[in-house]
Amino acid sequence: KNQVEQSPQSLIILEGKNCTLQCNYTVSPFSNLRWYKQDTGRGPVSLTIMTFSENTKSNGRYTATLDADTKQSSLHITASQLSDSASYICVVSADNNNAGNMLTFGGGTRLMVKP
Amino acid sequence: DTGVSQNPRHKITKRGQNVTFRCDPISEHNRLYWYRQTLGQGPEFLTYFQNEAQLEKSRLLSDRFSAERPKGSFSTLEIQRTEQGDSAMYLCASSLVGFRHEQFFGPGTRLTVL
Repeated sequence: KNQVEQSPQSLIILEGKNCTLQCNYTVSPFSNLRWYKQDTGRGPVSLTIMTFSENTKSNGRYTATLDADTKQSSLHITASQLSDSASYICVVSADNNNAGNMLTFGGGTRLMVKP
Repeated sequence: DTGVSQNPRHKITKRGQNVTFRCDPISEHNRLYWYRQTLGQGPEFLTYFQNEAQLEKSRLLSDRFSAERPKGSFSTLEIQRTEQGDSAMYLCASSLVGFRHEQFFGPGTRLTVL
């Protein structure tokens, strides 16, 4: 069964500090991994996408890493801002011949940035 | 704003009532997906359409749920005889055909069943 596990479940940090969120997955066959940011009461918005051959991808203060051998990914947030408070969801896409249920979602990490 | 819109944004209903949600995808996207998300969890797949054809349905989609995409553009999700366990955020997403194409999510419809 395809699974995506994220840790920690929740995290509180002070504004300006850095943090790292973790994602472990067992999805086969692997196609790509995305990190989404979901503000409270809103839909998820894609931050980064990485395929098998990519091991790092940046989007502003967000840097995602991927280790396809250990099936682990991380999302590093630098110099956090209050607006970074949100849930961060790791989503892994399976290469399964265009089936609809191709995405496996993690449960998310709820980040709160305090002033 | 991803270009995917959903209406209404919030719906409060009494148990046993029927509700209908609408999703307008990005216009050139031929795939449309429905997901359900409960508090603190990631989205769970419900069903998806390619153009007007409903190609896959999850076990989560009980007989009380029905989805349509009559002209291959907007879609509706109807829940009949709502139950308290139906309370959740219902998310719609759209994409081009192919697993490499990103799904763009709408803002969701928050359903509360009293």
